[in-house]
Parts: sequence; structure tokens; C-alpha cells
Amino acid sequence: KAGVTQTPRYLIKTRGQQVTLSCSPISGHRSVSWYQQTPGQGLQFLFEYFSETQRNKGNFPGRFSGRQFSNSRSEMNVSTLELGDSALYLCASKRGESTGELFFGEGSRLTVL
Amino acid sequence: AQKVTQAQTEISVVEKEDVTLDCVYETRDTTYYLFWYKQPPSGELVFLIRRNSFDEQNEISGRYSWNFQKSTSSFNFTITASQVVDSAVYFCALIFQTGANNLFFGTGTRLTVIP
Repeated sequence: KAGVTQTPRYLIKTRGQQVTLSCSPISGHRSVSWYQQTPGQGLQFLFEYFSETQRNKGNFPGRFSGRQFSNSRSEMNVSTLELGDSALYLCASKRGESTGELFFGEGSRLTVL
Repeated sequence: AQKVTQAQTEISVVEKEDVTLDCVYETRDTTYYLFWYKQPPSGELVFLIRRNSFDEQNEISGRYSWNFQKSTSSFNFTITASQVVDSAVYFCALIFQTGANNLFFGTGTRLTVIP
């Protein structure tokens, strides 16, 4: 079965712009979460959605936002990009609400110039 | 506060050697979950194991084994007879809320297996 799909895989933006990243979870998975990976800060939790509702949010500024659609697909948006937003953004999905295995996508690599 | 420490930044071993990746965690919660993930060069994180705080039984899966010791707050990962395909970054992680997805990751250990 298809895994978690993230688009675009690579993108380059300039400071001040905004970006939208997309994530399609595994079919049947209703929970989607997002992580940011940078060399300096490592892997950090951004937010988590379940059935279109944000259930949890990490310690990121309000420029980082997300949403989930009725088909469980999710998007995250970063506005007013800063150089420090350059990172690999990883999306993960799981079927239900249990504390189980997260299935990760290959990520969207954002470079901010 | 929750914290996961992977003191080994990089490890290199020769193929067929055994290698142990260390993980030490901190949490005040009595219920928590520990994970190991593998990140190959392609970028996606691959789930290896989950262990909850009430299950200290060690586990073996093929060449992989895990040693969970609550007394020392450690959850170490051993690869036996390492192979070149094991080369990757390995992350230990912690969830302290049942049902949540907010993993607290360690900084990772880059393992290089030399043929």
C-alpha cells in the first residue's frame, strides 16, 4: 500500500515569502503530525491533527500553522519565512488514537534564501 | 521535563561487528513510551520498536535487540553482525502522553558500517 506522500520534495523560497507543504497520509490513517528537522535543533514536533482537529501543538511561533481536511490530507503553512526556517519538514500518520507506530514520509526540504 | 540523550554522535564499525547505540531518557511521568527510529539517506524515519514503561522485557528481532532498564533510565539498541545497509542515523524518542504523537527525539547517532 502507498506510504505517506509529501509534496513538494524540495523547494527554495526567499525571506518574507510564505510556503505551503502538503501531506497525504496512508489510506485509512486519520492522525497526521508534522515535525521539523534542522542540524541545530534536531527533530522537533510542530503539531498533530486527528479528524480535522488540532490535538497538540509544539513550541513554534504563530507563523507556523496547519490544517487537516476531511480526507485526512494535511497541509502546513509557514508565513513570513526566515532563514532559520530552512529545514526538512516531515509528516507522519497513524491509524487511530493509540500510542503506536508513526509512519513517516520522506519529507519536504525547504531552503530559505 | 522530558529529555532524551544520545551521547554518541557518530559511530563507525567494520561490517560484521556488533554495535550498541545508547539512549538515556528523563521523564517524571510513570506512563511513557520509548521508540527507536532509523533514518536512511532518503530521509524518512523508519519505525523499529516501541516499548511502554510497564514492559521492561528485552526484545530481539533478528539482528536487532533492545535493552530497557528503568533503574538507569536507559533504552539501548544493539545491532549484531552489522551490515552496510545498517548505515543510517538512529533516533531514540519518548512519548509521555498516551495516544499522542508528540515524540521527543534525541539528537541521533550516525552509524557508519564500513565494508
